[in-house]
Amino acid sequence: EDQVTQSPEALRLQEGESSSLNCSYTVSGLRGLFWYRQDPGKGPEFLFTLYSAGEEKEKERLKATLTKKESFLHITAPKPEDSATYLCAWIGFGNEKLTFGTGTRLTIIP
Amino acid sequence: DSGVTQTPKHLITATGQRVTLRCSPRSGDLSVYWYQQSLDQGLQFLIHYYNGEERAKGNILERFSAQQFPDLHSELNLSSLELGDSALYFCASSADKISGPQHFGDGTRLSIL
Repeated sequence: EDQVTQSPEALRLQEGESSSLNCSYTVSGLRGLFWYRQDPGKGPEFLFTLYSAGEEKEKERLKATLTKKESFLHITAPKPEDSATYLCAWIGFGNEKLTFGTGTRLTIIP
Repeated sequence: DSGVTQTPKHLITATGQRVTLRCSPRSGDLSVYWYQQSLDQGLQFLIHYYNGEERAKGNILERFSAQQFPDLHSELNLSSLELGDSALYFCASSADKISGPQHFGDGTRLSIL
């Protein structure tokens, strides 16, 4: 069965302490993998799309990478405003729906 | 601001009632998606419309229906409401028919009493 698994479920970091969030997937035909950020009571905010293994995208303190089995969201020197739930999602060939993982709740402590 | 507008922001109603949620996509986007987010289920895909036509359905209940109008706004109709329908309902839009990034509104919080 196609699925994505995000880990850890929750992560607490000190301000400036870099780390990575993981999204592992078993999808037979991956068309695209997406990262979103969601703040409480808000809709998911689009961050990155990755389409093929080896691809990398960067935005400010965030960098997303993709391999054949997993994607990482690297956070460098995070700030308290980076606290949010980070969601990965995928779309497969022949399956047009965006399927979300359960997310990683990230807390950055000042 | 994603450019996707959802109204109303909050809706409180009773079991058995019917409600309509409205979504205006980003300017130029032809695709509209509806999702349900509850605490125990996460984000669940409901339905996708592209330029007025239904493209894909997820686990959408028969009591729920949607449509996309010629001006591209979309409405999600929920009828015979049950307590378990309480959730956040999100609309997303995309310029792409299939695999482009989706941009989400801030949702409608539906509470069934």
